[in-house]
Amino acid sequence: TQLLEQSPQFLSIQEGENLTVYCNSSSVFSSLQWYRQEPGEGPVLLVTVVTGGEVKKLKRLTFQFGDARKDSSLHITAAQPGDTGLYLCAGVRTGANNLFFGTGTRLTVIP
Amino acid sequence: NAGVMQNPRHLVRRRGQEARLRCSPMKGHSHVYWYRQLPEEGLKFMVYLQKENIIDESGMPKERFSAEFPKEGPSILRIQQVVRGDSAAYFCASSPGAAGGAFFGQGTRLTVV
Repeated sequence: TQLLEQSPQFLSIQEGENLTVYCNSSSVFSSLQWYRQEPGEGPVLLVTVVTGGEVKKLKRLTFQFGDARKDSSLHITAAQPGDTGLYLCAGVRTGANNLFFGTGTRLTVIP
Repeated sequence: NAGVMQNPRHLVRRRGQEARLRCSPMKGHSHVYWYRQLPEEGLKFMVYLQKENIIDESGMPKERFSAEFPKEGPSILRIQQVVRGDSAAYFCASSPGAAGGAFFGQGTRLTVV
């Protein structure tokens, strides 16, 4: 059983469309992060959220941490081909130490 | 302001040999994580270390695999008597604390022939 489930697993959209990726768990997290990984490279940290209900924006990307700190979403506005990649959520459970990763969402933006 | 450095980037070993993967964390980071990734899959947690201590090794096989993070020098992930199933990309990440975001190296791609 995966600690963090992401949906959808695959997403293919046209340039200019909006999209939302979800990261869900039954566990409570003290913090949650989103990463983007391109082929042959390591994941790159996009954002860290720590407070329930917190919303952070990074240009066209909006990240939200659920009120109960069990889930998160990533919304991309007006997607561009450069947004193509594997998006991973990761979290540290409350009272634990290690950083667990979600199952990943593979996004393809078609020009 | 170097990032996380992993070496080698690519490593080929014959079955039965040993593989040593090195990770130098970012300056000032005392927390190191190791992950394994198969093609088209997510990152699977292996081990979490702080300087001279293994904090959580619940994701690491009990046989043939070991990890260390000495007081001086890089963190080492060691795989003894490699088998074909060990072929994967191994990523190291470091962070300044347990709850913050982690910064990843470019990975070591291990191929066992």
